[in-house]
Amino acid sequence: RKEVEQDPGPFNVPEGATVAFNCTYSNSASQSFFWYRQDCRKEPKLLMSVYSSGNEDGRFTAQLNRASQYISLLIRDSKLSDSATYLCVVNRKDSSYKLIFGSGTRLLVRP
Amino acid sequence: NAGVTQTPKFQVLKTGQSMTLQCAQDMNHNSMYWYRQDPGMGLRLIYYSASEGTTDKGEVPNGYNVSRLNKREFSLRLESAAPSQTSVYFCASSAAAGGEKNIQYFGAGTRLSVL
Repeated sequence: RKEVEQDPGPFNVPEGATVAFNCTYSNSASQSFFWYRQDCRKEPKLLMSVYSSGNEDGRFTAQLNRASQYISLLIRDSKLSDSATYLCVVNRKDSSYKLIFGSGTRLLVRP
Repeated sequence: NAGVTQTPKFQVLKTGQSMTLQCAQDMNHNSMYWYRQDPGMGLRLIYYSASEGTTDKGEVPNGYNVSRLNKREFSLRLESAAPSQTSVYFCASSAAAGGEKNIQYFGAGTRLSVL
């Protein structure tokens, strides 16, 4: 079993839709959580950190559920430019330097 | 704003050839990393350098060596390339080595094919 698991998708949604991705992690020692975005044939870029209390950045909302060991990302009012792969990332407390990346969820927003 | 710069962007090697991938960052970051990305596998850590003068193995170090030349530069060497090393390689850096501040910034990647 992978330490960080994501539904690979693709999620195919119309512009303006709301879409949510979940990510589960298996190591309870995980300490920090992030969502990265990766466009086709480009490098990953930080989208947002995920805090215990949940956090929002414009149309994006991230939630953390430590009891169930999952992280979610909600995108409201989807734009064509949101089409990308979204990577769930965790940082284990027992390996401070290492980020563990999920394989990513692909989102396609259609006109 | 250069950030993290990787060279080359593309490379084709024959089995058994050697090469070095170069990475430099201009953000005065302490920590640097090398990953490979394969379809369906996500990013996997090859080696990392928590600070200048130190290097450690990651998840998939076999067949690779690294050098932290100075604070700015971290190179990855393939001594004898194998087809299994065909992949996209990313270098990354971060200011702090752990916790919520371990936000990593990536270079544009090197696409390597080994024939």
